[in-house]
Amino acid sequence: GAVVSQHPSRVICKSGTSVKIECRSLDFQATTMFWYRQFPKQSLMLMATSNEGSKATYEQGVEKDKFLINHASLTLSTLTVTSAHPEDSSFYICSATGGTSGGLYNEQFFGPGTRLTVL
Amino acid sequence: AQRVTQPEKLLSVFKGAPVELKCNYSYSGSPELFWYVQYSRQRLQLLLRHISRESIKGFTADLNKGETSFHLKKPFAQEEDSAMYYCALSGTGANNLFFGTGTRLTVIP
Repeated sequence: GAVVSQHPSRVICKSGTSVKIECRSLDFQATTMFWYRQFPKQSLMLMATSNEGSKATYEQGVEKDKFLINHASLTLSTLTVTSAHPEDSSFYICSATGGTSGGLYNEQFFGPGTRLTVL
Repeated sequence: AQRVTQPEKLLSVFKGAPVELKCNYSYSGSPELFWYVQYSRQRLQLLLRHISRESIKGFTADLNKGETSFHLKKPFAQEEDSAMYYCALSGTGANNLFFGTGTRLTVIP
């Protein structure tokens, strides 16, 4: 099956620093990647959708200057949390899909998530 | 705007008992509905989607457009079914997902 990896799995940083999280599709080309945020005991909230070679589309309320997303290749997307603050501490999950086909949804394959703690 | 509601955060059933995880949605068009599952210490994975009309691991879900529901059912729960279950919605032709808040199912031996 399709595998998506994330790196790092866990990161602790100081307030004011920037943190980069990588999302890779290991055995397929991901035309679209998604970034989610999950607070403890809450659901996944879609942050942004990124298509390879294009600017990411951010959901309402997500600061694009705060959460920089780059999808430079068909197997890699990165999320950079800039000037991180304690309220940015969360579980960040990426997913990838090969795209849509005839209007039908193509399955999203999820990464294992990255736990970010900002001190 | 789309919304997915899972009214039960926690659900416990005995092994062998029937289980139903509720999901209601609101969407102005024709959505595609999914159930995702997350087992302990594992990543989120697709369980089933309404367009497939298939049974996966004994689970089925029927889309009821009149009641805007997509409840997940299994006639006889097994211990290995204990997990977190998320109902999700995608707009027609889109491939982004909106998730419900999830239901943690515990099957008691």
